[in-house]
Amino acid sequence: DSGVTQTPKHLITATGQRVTLRCSPRSGDLSVYWYQQSLDQGLQFLIQYYNGEERAKGNILERFSAQQFPDLHSELNLSSLELGDSALYFCASSDSQGGYGYTFGSGTRLTVV
Amino acid sequence: GEDVEQSLFLSVREGDSSVINCTYTDSSSTYLYWYKQEPGAGLQLLTYIFSNMDMKQDQRLTVLLNKKDKHLSLRIADTQTGDSAIYFCAESAGGNNRLAFGKGNQVVVIP
Repeated sequence: DSGVTQTPKHLITATGQRVTLRCSPRSGDLSVYWYQQSLDQGLQFLIQYYNGEERAKGNILERFSAQQFPDLHSELNLSSLELGDSALYFCASSDSQGGYGYTFGSGTRLTVV
Repeated sequence: GEDVEQSLFLSVREGDSSVINCTYTDSSSTYLYWYKQEPGAGLQLLTYIFSNMDMKQDQRLTVLLNKKDKHLSLRIADTQTGDSAIYFCAESAGGNNRLAFGKGNQVVVIP
């Protein structure tokens, strides 16, 4: 157990639907990062939050949004889902500096049918 | 921008050494990292090296950093079947320590 909890582990949904992925960071970590992993694109950075505020944005589609709540857990919302959104979505957390690397959760596997 | 490149596949016999290579582009990266991903699991931080170091050894793992060529390597000594996984190198990018990952290198250990 890495200390980063992601739910659900698996999600199957239809095109056009909306889903919410949840992440609880490791105790004491203030930063949360979301990554998308697909076979063709590898690990793509989506977005980072630090202590409730958006810190950096990567290749995140406009259909996707995220937030970090006062208790530091984070949610990634994916809407108007397309087949190409099927992927593993990872959440990671780090301390305020992040210099010693991230701790990853075990991911949510999203399948859009 | 940052761009991290890795070769894709390595097959190695149990007991031999494995060497995985990576090139990166962001010369301002403060830390460089190696992560391991086993099937169905998240990424596990294996080791990292500070950019002012040339080498770091941690038990069976040796990391070499060539800043001039922006080349990072990971050597696994006495490779075991449990080392079969995908290995990612990553560099810290930008002022907020966001990590940019390579596409990964799959290592298959043959008993």
